[in-house]
Amino acid sequence: EDQVTQSPEALRLQEGESSSLNCSYTVSGLRGLFWYRQDPGKGPEFLFTLYSAGEEKEKERLKATLTKKESFLHITAPKPEDSATYLCAVQFMNTGFQKLVFGTGTRLLVSP
Amino acid sequence: KAGVTQTPRYLIKTRGQQVTLSCSPISGHRSVSWYQQTPGQGLQFLFEYFSETQRNKGNFPGRFSGRQFSNSRSEMNVSTLELGDSALYLCASSVDRGRGYTFGSGTRLTVV
Repeated sequence: EDQVTQSPEALRLQEGESSSLNCSYTVSGLRGLFWYRQDPGKGPEFLFTLYSAGEEKEKERLKATLTKKESFLHITAPKPEDSATYLCAVQFMNTGFQKLVFGTGTRLLVSP
Repeated sequence: KAGVTQTPRYLIKTRGQQVTLSCSPISGHRSVSWYQQTPGQGLQFLFEYFSETQRNKGNFPGRFSGRQFSNSRSEMNVSTLELGDSALYLCASSVDRGRGYTFGSGTRLTVV
C-alpha cells in the first residue's frame, strides 16, 4: 500500500539545538516530495519540492534531502519561531492518475 | 500578489444540510485541489481540477463534489452533512499540475 510516514510525531527542542525530521514513503513512480510548514489555524505553507534521490534544498535554517525511500528535514540552530507542524507530501502515479498523499506531520516546539 | 482565498472562514451547519465552499486561486494558477484536514486523519485529498475538468479524485463518498469555473475559481459542495464531516477544508492552487502548491487558510466547517 502506498504510504507516507513521518517521525517523530512530536519533537521538543531547545533554541539552538539542531535536529532532523523524517519522512519515509513506500510508493512507486515518485513524481515529487513536498515539505510544508503549518501554523495553528492556517493552511500549510510551501517550503521545498524535491524530485530525485540525492537532491537537496536549503532555506534559512532548513535543509531538505531526499533518498529513494525517505526525506529528511534538517533544522539547524532552531529558533522559537520555527515552532510549527511540518508536513511532507508525496506525489506519485497510481493506476494512471497522479496522487498526492500527506504524512500526518511532526509537531515541533522550540523553547527559548 | 494575492494568495489563495477561501470563503467563508468559519461555518456551522446542521446534520442533513448541504454546504458550498469557495476558493479563489492565485492569479494565473490553473490547478486547484481540495483537502480535508482532521486531527485523526490528517490531510486527505478530495479532488483536483485543472482547466474546469476534474483530473483526480480521492476516496470520498459522492456527497462530496466540486467544480471549477473558467476563471479557475473553484467551489466544493458537501450534501447531506454528517457529524464526521466537521473539519478544516483546504484549497490549494498551482500554476500547473505537479508543481508546488499554495494553500489557502481554509474553511473551518462544524456540523452539529
